Amino acid sequence: GAVVSQHPSRVICKSGTSVKIECRSLDFQATTMFWYRQFPKQSLMLMATSNEGSKATYEQGVEKDKFLINHASLTLSTLTVTSAHPEDSSFYICSARDPGIQSKGELFFGEGSRLTVL
Amino acid sequence: AQSVSQHNHHVILSEAASLELGCNYSYGGTVNLFWYVQYPGQHLQLLLKYFSGDPLVKGIKGFEAEFIKSKFSFNLRKPSVQWSDTAEYFCAVNAGRDDKIIFGKGTRLHILP
Repeated sequence: GAVVSQHPSRVICKSGTSVKIECRSLDFQATTMFWYRQFPKQSLMLMATSNEGSKATYEQGVEKDKFLINHASLTLSTLTVTSAHPEDSSFYICSARDPGIQSKGELFFGEGSRLTVL
Repeated sequence: AQSVSQHNHHVILSEAASLELGCNYSYGGTVNLFWYVQYPGQHLQLLLKYFSGDPLVKGIKGFEAEFIKSKFSFNLRKPSVQWSDTAEYFCAVNAGRDDKIIFGKGTRLHILP
């Protein structure tokens, strides 16, 4: 299947700093990528839909200025957590849909990035 | 708005037992349904999906799910579980013209050897 890679897998930062997480589709072009947040023992919460070449679409309750999303190319989307606070500590997961016929719209997930804000 | 409900949060079974995990969704129109699995320390991967056609869908590793439109359900089943099936299972739905997929809260399955 298609491969989606995230970097870094783990990051620890001080409160007030900004952290960037990258999501890459390695063997296909993704016009749309999705960013999820997973709290311990809970489901994946969709944060936003990242659209190549245009603004991201945020879900209700997600702060646009807090979680900056940039989809600069067909293989890369970035999530920047600005002025991070301890409550932003979480597991962030990106996903992308391979538009190829064989995949039939299946969503492929990155490995996830665990953010810890001290 | 579409939503997904998984009834069992934590299931413990012995090897060779039969498994059924419940999933219900709320949306009146056409839906695409998925079951994803997350093994310990690994990322999410697709178990099976329903887009159209035969409502009984067969996936990898002996799993299957049945789409019952009248009950808005898509339950996951396996006749005989193995220790290696220990994982977290997520039901998900993609509905209407939305491109996004909404996940249920997940069911943590623990198989006793």
